[in-house]
Amino acid sequence: QITLKESGPTLVQPTQTLTLTCTFSGFSLTKSGVAVGWVRQPPGKAPEWLGLIFWDDDKRYSPSLKSRLTFIKDSSKNQVVLRLTNVGPVDTATYYCAHRHSMLDFDFWGQGTLVTVSS
Amino acid sequence: QSVLTQPPSVSAAPGQKVSISCSGSSSNIAKNYVFWYQQFPGTAPKLLIYDNDKRPSGIPDRFSASKSGTSATLGFTGLQAGDEADYYCGSWDDSLNTVVFGGGTKLTVL
Repeated sequence: QITLKESGPTLVQPTQTLTLTCTFSGFSLTKSGVAVGWVRQPPGKAPEWLGLIFWDDDKRYSPSLKSRLTFIKDSSKNQVVLRLTNVGPVDTATYYCAHRHSMLDFDFWGQGTLVTVSS
Repeated sequence: QSVLTQPPSVSAAPGQKVSISCSGSSSNIAKNYVFWYQQFPGTAPKLLIYDNDKRPSGIPDRFSASKSGTSATLGFTGLQAGDEADYYCGSWDDSLNTVVFGGGTKLTVL
């Protein structure tokens, strides 16, 4: 059974760095073809795709966030870390990590964590 | 403003059929796979359709989807009260080089 769970701060000050950890079970990020992705969803709005990190450490980032976004995997701990630098109020959203299903979509999702950027 | 366009809301009575449209362009839907998610308030999206018209295991065949040109459609038959949720379409956009989503459609079961 595949499960994922996001953890991290619920409140971040503007200009600071947001760090979220996705802890997963039921699959291995060392297996060929496997990837974990991140999606965020501002309150009341549509989801926004942030990117993917693959089993071979290849990464795909949303072009609009690429300069501020980093994914790091620790396969031994079954974790993926998201770092988003220089956050602002527009980064307020529920952040989800998810298991990649086919090329574009995700079949298993974490419960999400609401991050508010405010001073 | 979302790259993919969905109607903000649709409604129908229990047992009826209803469909949700998703309009895109030559840089996304026309050339790439479309997926659909169902989302209940306060929960994560749930994959309903992938690769244009495929259902993951466990998704009933009351849900169907199709794609034609720059548009896609999600269809429901035998509508149930439990289908009341938000629905999002998505695809890859070759120009933006990212996955793009529609703005979402709220389905109301009357």
